Amino acid sequence: DTGVSQDPRHKITKRGQNVTFRCDPISEHNRLYWYRQTLGQGPEFLTYFQNEAQLEKSRLLSDRFSAERPKGSFSTLEIQRTEQGDSAMYLCASSTDRAVEQYFGPGTRLTVT
Amino acid sequence: GEDVEQSLFLSVREGDSSVINCTYTDSSSTYLYWYKQEPGAGLQLLTYIFSNMDMKQDQRLTVLLNKKDKHLSLRIADTQTGDSAIYFCAESTYSSASKIIFGSGTRLSIRP
Repeated sequence: DTGVSQDPRHKITKRGQNVTFRCDPISEHNRLYWYRQTLGQGPEFLTYFQNEAQLEKSRLLSDRFSAERPKGSFSTLEIQRTEQGDSAMYLCASSTDRAVEQYFGPGTRLTVT
Repeated sequence: GEDVEQSLFLSVREGDSSVINCTYTDSSSTYLYWYKQEPGAGLQLLTYIFSNMDMKQDQRLTVLLNKKDKHLSLRIADTQTGDSAIYFCAESTYSSASKIIFGSGTRLSIRP
């Protein structure tokens, strides 16, 4: 098992462009989470999936953000019409059902210029 | 509301013990965590404690929980240079174990 992986690790984009990130969870984990971390802060919860169902969304997840997990395995997070305030590290985590521990990937660092 | 607070910086001498403190506000917190983040790396779960426990020890790590004061601490014995990192205190509730609320992190630096 290689752990949670995220792609790309870094993304630089111009304001107004759309970006998509991918997360591959640990293979037997049916829960997948997205967090956002800005400089000097702890991660903030965005959303989570139980298999393919998106069960909770934070108010931080504006209409420009959409997350999917179509087959209950990998997930994508898309940001439309990016803004400079979207610049952050986007972290993905996974866990088994009702597990206490969430295992985090290395993150995708987004820079919006 | 949900809030987790911790001091921003801690500097200790190599070989000494480090104690990182945290306070939380949600009285329904069920699980309390300590995560470690090294530069360029993801978050690593160090340890966690259930709210019905007072203490948990795991090798060089000791977690103390004062539920009455909503205070959590992480003690690292015999601090080494490899312990330099940002340490995040975090909590979740039984009803929303999916969502972990993190503090802003304490940056631990080690002096020779």
